[in-house]
Amino acid sequence: DAGVIQSPRHEVTEMGQEVTLRCKPISGHDYLFWYRQTMMRGLELLIYFNNNVPIDDSGMPEDRFSAKMPNASFSTLKIQPSEPRDSAVYFCASSGQGNSNQPQHFGDGTRLSIL
Amino acid sequence: AQSVAQPEDQVNVAEGNPLTVKCTYSVSGNPYLFWYVQYPNRGLQFLLKYITGDNLVKGSYGFEAEFNKSQTSFHLKKPSALVSDSALYFCAVRDIEVGTGRRALTFGSGTRLQVQP
Repeated sequence: DAGVIQSPRHEVTEMGQEVTLRCKPISGHDYLFWYRQTMMRGLELLIYFNNNVPIDDSGMPEDRFSAKMPNASFSTLKIQPSEPRDSAVYFCASSGQGNSNQPQHFGDGTRLSIL
Repeated sequence: AQSVAQPEDQVNVAEGNPLTVKCTYSVSGNPYLFWYVQYPNRGLQFLLKYITGDNLVKGSYGFEAEFNKSQTSFHLKKPSALVSDSALYFCAVRDIEVGTGRRALTFGSGTRLQVQP
């Protein structure tokens, strides 16, 4: 079975540019999560969706960050404008019904470098 | 608010020896506890979980974890370590957030396990 698919795997861009990260969750999963991982701050939850609706976006660092889930099989995380401190690995994860006791399945991440 | 602590940044163990990676948690209600492993350039992979029932939980790759309510701990263990077990390990806890009712997963800071041949 296909797992969570993220694209691109790597992105290098200049400060000020718009960055769009993409995620395809596992089919049938109704929860989707976006995380950011850095050496300094570890793994941070940015936002999560249930049935395509954003439930908690309190982890989104600034208004420059936005996330959408237009349908059950696709989500985007956008940074506009990007800054060097946004450099990190961004993970998408999904889980099935019964969010509390279902494990999250992670994609392999997008390594983002802002120059 | 819920929290989870992994007191060791790194654990070193010789191949064939038992290993323990420590985790303690703090929640207001009954915890749901998880362990994940991360290999280089990969996402986190689920290892095992504790929801209710037996305090000793068995998971993937020969790992197990013991839930100890009185010590609020959920240490990860394996009887005999392999070099291929070398990776970053994360403990996570889920509880209902007081006030919002939302359920959020909180991850520890991670422990790097190094198994020497």
